Amino acid sequence: DAKTTQPTSMDCAEGRAANLPCNHSTISGNEYVYWYRQIHSQGPQYIIHGLKNNETNEMASLIITEDRKSSTLILPHATLRDTAVYYCIVRGLYYKLSFGAGTTVTVRA
Amino acid sequence: KAGVTQTPRYLIKTRGQQVTLSCSPISGHRSVSWYQQTPGQGLQFLFEYFSETQRNKGNFPGRFSGRQFSNSRSEMNVSTLELGDSALYLCASSLNQDPPDTQYFGPGTRLTVL
Repeated sequence: DAKTTQPTSMDCAEGRAANLPCNHSTISGNEYVYWYRQIHSQGPQYIIHGLKNNETNEMASLIITEDRKSSTLILPHATLRDTAVYYCIVRGLYYKLSFGAGTTVTVRA
Repeated sequence: KAGVTQTPRYLIKTRGQQVTLSCSPISGHRSVSWYQQTPGQGLQFLFEYFSETQRNKGNFPGRFSGRQFSNSRSEMNVSTLELGDSALYLCASSLNQDPPDTQYFGPGTRLTVL
């Protein structure tokens, strides 16, 4: 699976949108971009995934660039409960997941 | 629909003992994967089961084993515990559809080896 690069940390004001970038320049055509988050010592929570098109669900939006080399996860109205480590993952046909260091997002009141 | 459940949530053992962790997948999910998460190594894949068969295995010693039952529930066992086995053990289940096959995680079992 392709490697991803994320910023180590970022802050966000409560109520504002949080934009989390992810670079995956070596992604191949059949690999998906997945986002999970993990609140301290809890199990990772699935957020969203996409292949080529932008995706939106009740939690977030995923914007994938046309060349698919990078993507942005958008939390539209961040709350204190969104404070977590966010992992961007590129997955192919294999089931096992591998998380990098992720981005530690701190939402401040 | 209920999520993935794992029992027990917390466990304290001493070196040399063995431990069994349990995972109940989301109803209808047939694939169960196990992961070990530590601050130093991050998330590491242990093994994956589908229809009671181990389909994939990570790079862990034979002290780590697992099984899956006909109702898709799964257990993992660690024998002869070592201090380095202290970790958060996570179970994830999926439908086993064509890719992408989204995995949903349970809350984890925090194992401490003294």
